Amino acid sequence: AQSVTQLGSHVSVSEGALVLLRCNYSSSVPPYLFWYVQYPNQGLQLLLKYTSAATLVKGINGFEAEFKKSETSFHLTKPSAHMSDAAEYFCAVSALGGGADGLTFGKGTHLIIQP
Amino acid sequence: DTGVSQNPRHKITKRGQNVTFRCDPISEHNRLYWYRQTLGQGPEFLTYFQNEAQLEKSRLLSDRFSAERPKGSFSTLEIQRTEQGDSAMYLCASSKDPGPTYEQYFGPGTRLTVT
Repeated sequence: AQSVTQLGSHVSVSEGALVLLRCNYSSSVPPYLFWYVQYPNQGLQLLLKYTSAATLVKGINGFEAEFKKSETSFHLTKPSAHMSDAAEYFCAVSALGGGADGLTFGKGTHLIIQP
Repeated sequence: DTGVSQNPRHKITKRGQNVTFRCDPISEHNRLYWYRQTLGQGPEFLTYFQNEAQLEKSRLLSDRFSAERPKGSFSTLEIQRTEQGDSAMYLCASSKDPGPTYEQYFGPGTRLTVT
């Protein structure tokens, strides 16, 4: 079984500051890991994914995440926040090859950007 | 590639009525997924299809819920005898088979309100 824990339901940063959204996962098999962003009343858009290749993954809109197996973490970062980054962010895990194929999502982190 | 589409976008129904939602996946995607997202939560996996075969169902999918994917193309999700607790956003996603390029593409969702 897989699970995802996102620390902090709300994160507030100033425009131009570092964004750090935390995600820890649990998986009985090597995981695929994803970060999705959701804007109000819209579907989910993939930011980036880890599928057992490079541990440092670069995504869209300047975001990146690092897979750390020893810490079971996949934290999302962006060096400089922009007002347009304000949204809900979800970390998700999939245990492809382990039987279950649906994504297991965390509860989400609402990112607030202060001007 | 026109993306995943879902219809209707919004549905308001009275408790006890039946509702049906439709999802059209990205062409050539053989996998199709349904998720449910309630307010303030991450999406929860309901079920998925590989071509026309329904391969997995979550325990969240009670016997009032049924999903089909005839001919491995579009899919429908029906809820019978709706309850107020069914009010949620129903998301559909599609993907190709797993591999380094694996990702699930999400549609805009159908928001169901049960009065």
